[in-house]
Amino acid sequence: DVKVTQSSRYLVKRTGEKVFLECVQDMDHENMFWYRQDPGLGLRLIYFSYDVKMKEKGDIPEGYSVSREKKERFSLILESASTNQTSMYLCASSFPPGSYEQYFGPGTRLTVT
Amino acid sequence: GNSVTQMEGPVTLSEEAFLTINCTYTATGYPSLFWYVQYPGEGLQLLLKATKADDKGSNKGFEATYRKETTSFHLEKGSVQVSDSAVYFCALKGGGSGYSTLTFGKGTMLLVSP
Repeated sequence: DVKVTQSSRYLVKRTGEKVFLECVQDMDHENMFWYRQDPGLGLRLIYFSYDVKMKEKGDIPEGYSVSREKKERFSLILESASTNQTSMYLCASSFPPGSYEQYFGPGTRLTVT
Repeated sequence: GNSVTQMEGPVTLSEEAFLTINCTYTATGYPSLFWYVQYPGEGLQLLLKATKADDKGSNKGFEATYRKETTSFHLEKGSVQVSDSAVYFCALKGGGSGYSTLTFGKGTMLLVSP
């Protein structure tokens, strides 16, 4: 079974802090994704990566950056957290390129105070 | 661009009732269509899929038929169980895209009572 793990289930940070959300997948998937999930808005794609050191902006990249130094790990970075970034963050992976089935992690609920 | 519209919830049903969750889409070309399910406290998982017009996807008693003429992919189940309580997301992947990005609807919460 594919396993996608996220470093924390719950995280509380202060406004202005730099925040790292980590995601690791164990199936050698090429594609990895970061979404945020908000009530009434569904899932919105922040960034995705189709290879090591490659990244592409999704629909809402402002205020976020990503890092993919190794194939299995994809990090989401909030350079200076703000209260409007309080959300559920979901990581996903898929293989091969063009595949439609994404495998999701359990999510990290981030609260910025 | 691509978009997915699904009915707002929550949908509240009694056990063994019939379920329909509506989903319509806008896309260029020939998209593939999906339903994902999110159980409480978990990430999303693929429930079923259809990759071309008139295909019917099915899994765990759920079904959905890809209707190109009405641009719809409604989710149905003949008899729901309490364990089906979850949030259901309709999604599409644009035809011909080299990447795996999906466009999701806003999700519909289903609550099933005994």
